[in-house]
Amino acid sequence: GAGVSQSPSNKVTEKGKDVELRCDPISGHTALYWYRQSLGQGLEFLIYFQGNSAPDKSGLPSDRFSAERTGGSVSTLTIQRTQQEDSAVYLCASSSVGQGSNEKLFFGSGTQLSVL
Amino acid sequence: GENVEQHPSTLSVQEGDSAVIKCTYSDSASNYFPWYKQELGKRPQLIIDIRSNVGEKKDQRIAVTLNKTAKHFSLHITETQPEDSAVYFCAASLMDTGRRALTFGSGTRLQVQP
Repeated sequence: GAGVSQSPSNKVTEKGKDVELRCDPISGHTALYWYRQSLGQGLEFLIYFQGNSAPDKSGLPSDRFSAERTGGSVSTLTIQRTQQEDSAVYLCASSSVGQGSNEKLFFGSGTQLSVL
Repeated sequence: GENVEQHPSTLSVQEGDSAVIKCTYSDSASNYFPWYKQELGKRPQLIIDIRSNVGEKKDQRIAVTLNKTAKHFSLHITETQPEDSAVYFCAASLMDTGRRALTFGSGTRLQVQP
């Protein structure tokens, strides 16, 4: 595709509900990241997928958060039993990886999650 | 894991002045240090990056310096313009062998006053 695509762009949910956020990376990009950005705050690392390697889940804030990447392409971030503090913009990014590449991350436009 | 600290959190300069943003990192194995710019309501975009085998890199009005010994790197913007107003994020990671995810600093909100 032309860029990293995320859906939905906005999601409003009630506390306690589960949500799924989707990310379509740039075709051919083997690395995929999820970050969380609260209002006016920095980029908090959540999870990192790289090729066929085991994902780096060290940034997931609790066991309510999980992510999958199917077929090395599309990724889904799932938040179970949402809490108000989960409200934030969830950004996905992808990059091509390899010796000599510039490791540039291409970000999606994000999913604004609001938990009421 | 890696920890990146960034200062200042906000910076206001007059148009034409220089701006400097500083970051420190904790993991001596990190070898890749990019800077991202995020304009209001937009997604972050890479503006410059540096690898640990060089000490300085320039691209027109922006430059980045790296001090591996001190685990410190900085972004320098000269002749600032109003369109430079944005939030700037530094980041650090290990690339190539044994790669690790990018860890970002907390961001610096730069305001260039016309």
